[in-house]
Amino acid sequence: AQTVTQSQPEMSVQEAETVTLSCTYDTSESDYYLFWYKQPPSRQMILVIRQEAYKQQNATENRFSVNFQKAAKSFSLKISDSQLGDAAMYFCAYRSGTTSGTYKYIFGTGTRLKVLA
Amino acid sequence: DAGVTQSPTHLIKTRGQQVTLRCSPKSGHDTVSWYQQALGQGPQFIFQYYEEEERQRGNFPDRFSGHQFPNYSSELNVNALLLGDSALYLCASSLGVSRSPLHFGNGTRLTVT
Repeated sequence: AQTVTQSQPEMSVQEAETVTLSCTYDTSESDYYLFWYKQPPSRQMILVIRQEAYKQQNATENRFSVNFQKAAKSFSLKISDSQLGDAAMYFCAYRSGTTSGTYKYIFGTGTRLKVLA
Repeated sequence: DAGVTQSPTHLIKTRGQQVTLRCSPKSGHDTVSWYQQALGQGPQFIFQYYEEEERQRGNFPDRFSGHQFPNYSSELNVNALLLGDSALYLCASSLGVSRSPLHFGNGTRLTVT
């Protein structure tokens, strides 16, 4: 069974600085997807960034980028130029590839990010 | 472009009662998944509906059941409520069972007393 681990319950960053959130996962599959979701107090899970396992290039979305280390089963999120609006819970998630026939997402326990003005 | 909408936003029930939560998927989506998020935890997959059938199910008892309607909206029913069922219930939609990513609603906060 696949597992997702986020070992940092809480992180703080100064506004305009850079912060990295860690995520490790365990799987025996070679085809899968990884995601970072943000959950602000509004409770809605918002997709931040996603990575297909077959792609070696790390995904980037504006100020958000990932460091995907497939062999190490690591998938960290880097937030550059942090803004007050980035404060939220961040969840790392795993989904099997289409060949598996299973499409549920497996989430980690989350990291609460605080942004200090 | 309407996103995923869920109702109600909050609900308080008593142990042993039954509850129905509702979800309308994002415009253009045909697949609905339900997740349970206990306090301080990540969401846990309950089940997925596509073409009005339950396609996949997580590790939840039969007290949890669902339905999908021809307009793709969905209901989550929980019978014989337990205190441990208190959680945020998230609905997510996608186009097709295997498509990513999921789009989530704001959830329904269920409190069982």
